[in-house]
Amino acid sequence: GQQLNQSPQSMFIQEGEDVSMNCTSSSIFNTWLWYKQDPGEGPVLLIALYKAGELTSNGRLTAQFGITRKDSFLNISASIPSDVGIYFCAGYYGGSQGNLIFGKGTKLSVKP
Amino acid sequence: DGGITQSPKYLFRKEGQNVTLSCEQNLNHDAMYWYRQDPGQGLRLIYYSQIVNDFQKGDIAEGYSVSREKKESFPLTVTSAQKNPTAFYLCASSREGQGAWRRTTGELFFGEGSRLTVL
Repeated sequence: GQQLNQSPQSMFIQEGEDVSMNCTSSSIFNTWLWYKQDPGEGPVLLIALYKAGELTSNGRLTAQFGITRKDSFLNISASIPSDVGIYFCAGYYGGSQGNLIFGKGTKLSVKP
Repeated sequence: DGGITQSPKYLFRKEGQNVTLSCEQNLNHDAMYWYRQDPGQGLRLIYYSQIVNDFQKGDIAEGYSVSREKKESFPLTVTSAQKNPTAFYLCASSREGQGAWRRTTGELFFGEGSRLTVL
């Protein structure tokens, strides 16, 4: 089946740093979504992208829908401690909701 | 407040037992889903339902069963046939349902999850 390659798998952040993560696919999608999951909780939608080339911001978060429709990135500016968690990308190409594909997640932790 | 409620949050099961996880939503959403989450594996779809009295298998349906008798409820039963049931289970819903007139967006609303441990 389809797979999304999400990277990095994990990263450590220091407060104030900018963070970048991305997802790539061998297939095209019509929608890219980014979710965040806090420990022991369900994921929460951060940003949804619907058009190739679209750049969308939500506070300190910025995400882009790649022009080829096969990739997306998420940037977090000036990170704060509450940014820790797991970030998932998801791609959707329409039709049945069973066609929503999730990446394996990027785990953000605070540098010791 | 509108949302999705999963229960129980923690559940322990002996091998050979069936267990049922509850999922209720008051968002008036048509579609509901069950995902399984294992460390480092992301979210894998077990079952989904786009309308009452109808549901479809996802990628890892073996050893699981569901029902959708009411729009608000989508319980998941983990049967004894599921060989490795220890995992974090997430229920989700979305506005979209069947019908070409509905715009499907892929946006899901998740519950807080249920952690199942087999003893």
